[in-house]
Amino acid sequence: EAQVTQNPRYLITVTGKKLTVTCSQNMNHEYMSWYRQDPGLGLRQIYYSMNVEVTDKGDVPEGYKVSRKEKRNFPLILESPSPNQTSLYFCASSSPGLARYEQYFGPGTRLTVT
Amino acid sequence: AQTVTQSQPEMSVQEAETVTLSCTYDTSESDYYLFWYKQPPSRQMILVIRQEAYKQQNATENRFSVNFQKAAKSFSLKISDSQLGDAAMYFCAYRSAAGANNLFFGTGTRLTVIP
Repeated sequence: EAQVTQNPRYLITVTGKKLTVTCSQNMNHEYMSWYRQDPGLGLRQIYYSMNVEVTDKGDVPEGYKVSRKEKRNFPLILESPSPNQTSLYFCASSSPGLARYEQYFGPGTRLTVT
Repeated sequence: AQTVTQSQPEMSVQEAETVTLSCTYDTSESDYYLFWYKQPPSRQMILVIRQEAYKQQNATENRFSVNFQKAAKSFSLKISDSQLGDAAMYFCAYRSAAGANNLFFGTGTRLTVIP
């Protein structure tokens, strides 16, 4: 089954404790992105990657890191989480030429930073 | 950056009736894509319908259709014969046809379906 998976689905952590949210897709997509969703703000892009070893900042990259060492994986790293990073996070993937750049979303990760 | 505006934070509709959700966007580009995504309580983002800007014909997917007005930069979603399962948050999104892989989202409209 074609899908984007994220782990963990729920995470409660404390300020300053490094964490990683994993994202994996099995569709051989070149493009992958991370978004955060906050009430009243919709979804905003954090980082994106157009292929292995190619990443760039989105609209709200501060406090986040990413890496793309393999095509299928695109982890999101919070080196020193803060309460303002409490949010719902989505990973998405897509491929140029397919379905007009439709993005396939993961199930979301609910992160709470206390 | 492009902006997408959904001016209706909440909407409600009677079951079996029709409802229209509004979306406007701001861009200087001529080629782009527009999308409506549905987010039910499960939080999963589900693509409802897409529209290519170069196409004049409005997209339709079963009970869902759009009214795409390129000059007015308007992209509304019409849901006909509303069903209880249509209750969700709906997001309008914009994507350029060139350049970075970035979807710009509106702030969403929460749709309630009244039995």
